[in-house]
Amino acid sequence: LAKTTQPISMDSYEGQEVNITCSHNNIATNDYITWYQQFPSQGPRFIIQGYKTKVTNEVASLFIPADRKSSTLSLPRVSLSDTAVYYCLVGDPGDAGNMLTFGGGTRLMVKP
Amino acid sequence: DAGVIQSPRHEVTEMGQEVTLRCKPISGHDYLFWYRQTMMRGLELLIYFNNNVPIDDSGMPEDRFSAKMPNASFSTLKIQPSEPRDSAVYFCASSTADSPLHFGNGTRLTVT
Repeated sequence: LAKTTQPISMDSYEGQEVNITCSHNNIATNDYITWYQQFPSQGPRFIIQGYKTKVTNEVASLFIPADRKSSTLSLPRVSLSDTAVYYCLVGDPGDAGNMLTFGGGTRLMVKP
Repeated sequence: DAGVIQSPRHEVTEMGQEVTLRCKPISGHDYLFWYRQTMMRGLELLIYFNNNVPIDDSGMPEDRFSAKMPNASFSTLKIQPSEPRDSAVYFCASSTADSPLHFGNGTRLTVT
């Protein structure tokens, strides 16, 4: 399974764009990149998933370069409510047993 | 859809007692996962089921832990006897073969 590396923590201010980068040098051909968000006292929540280039939804964008050895989660104009832990996972989404290992995540603190 | 439902939300028990955590997955999801989260070890996969059958229990810490899934809409995680080091938040999640994980809000277990 591809191992992921992300910063332990990040600070930002309301209204700023936040980019969290995840390294996954050993990503396999069938692997996708998936990001989850976890608020205190809640379970992780799916944010976005992608394979290559760029994916955007109502919450975030995911940028994946051509070599796919890293990916960047972009949160536009963050608010205080975006304070959470963000996890990057890599694996084959067609194999439910393949994308189950959560790393340490990135603790994002948004300040007023 | 009510999402993944876990009970109880909080459990406080004394060392040596039996603890049973319960989970109702999302209807139609054929995968069910049990995770444990602590500050020191983060999110750890304990066991997962597919179509009510345990597929991988390599994360179960020791024989004191057991999990069952008697039908598609119910699973239990049992700890007997419980120990203070079992104190953690236990999450249940469900999914289909190619969907992201959907987590419940967890059970916070405190063993004194």
